[in-house]
Amino acid sequence: DAGVTQSPTHLIKTRGQQVTLRCSPKSGHDTVSWYQQALGQGPQFIFQYYEEEERQRGNFPDRFSGHQFPNYSSELNVNALLLGDSALYLCASSLSRGLNEQFFGPGTRLTVL
Amino acid sequence: AQSVTQPDIHITVSEGASLELRCNYSYGATPYLFWYVQSPGQGLQLLLKYFSGDTLVQGIKGFEAEFKRSQSSFNLRKPSVHWSDAAEYFCAVGAKGDDKIIFGKGTRLHILP
Repeated sequence: DAGVTQSPTHLIKTRGQQVTLRCSPKSGHDTVSWYQQALGQGPQFIFQYYEEEERQRGNFPDRFSGHQFPNYSSELNVNALLLGDSALYLCASSLSRGLNEQFFGPGTRLTVL
Repeated sequence: AQSVTQPDIHITVSEGASLELRCNYSYGATPYLFWYVQSPGQGLQLLLKYFSGDTLVQGIKGFEAEFKRSQSSFNLRKPSVHWSDAAEYFCAVGAKGDDKIIFGKGTRLHILP
């Protein structure tokens, strides 16, 4: 049973560029949440997608956007990258809307130069 | 506002010694509480969770945690640590009907041989 997968593993971008990160949820899960983990910090909630809609959003600017596809996979897009966007981006999947056990992927390490 | 405090940034224990990692939370409603572990370069693995019922919960890898409502605490314990337990540990809080999980800043556990 495949767990949560994320791609790419690592990514290097320069300021002002745009980036797209991808996530495939655990088999049977229909909800995807995205978190940003800066170095030395705990993960911070960006947003959650369920039924292809953004259900809740954390304290992140509109430069951060997402999408969920009919197969429940998800993308996180970040526009106009800033140095401060450098972080580990974690995807978590769960079953149904609301707080159920979330299973995390290994993350995508984004470095903005 | 919801928050999680892990007062110890680093903890060092000898292999075979007992362990307690502290966690205090601030949450208006009845909380859902979690402990996650993160090894270097890895995603988050759920150790245990508390939703309701028995306030002493057992998790994987021999860990347990006790929910104390009066102290707003959810401390993680293990009677005898192994070198493989060296990792970063995150306490987190959420609630029914709320999609996000709020994480603490983490405690880095070091094991002495």
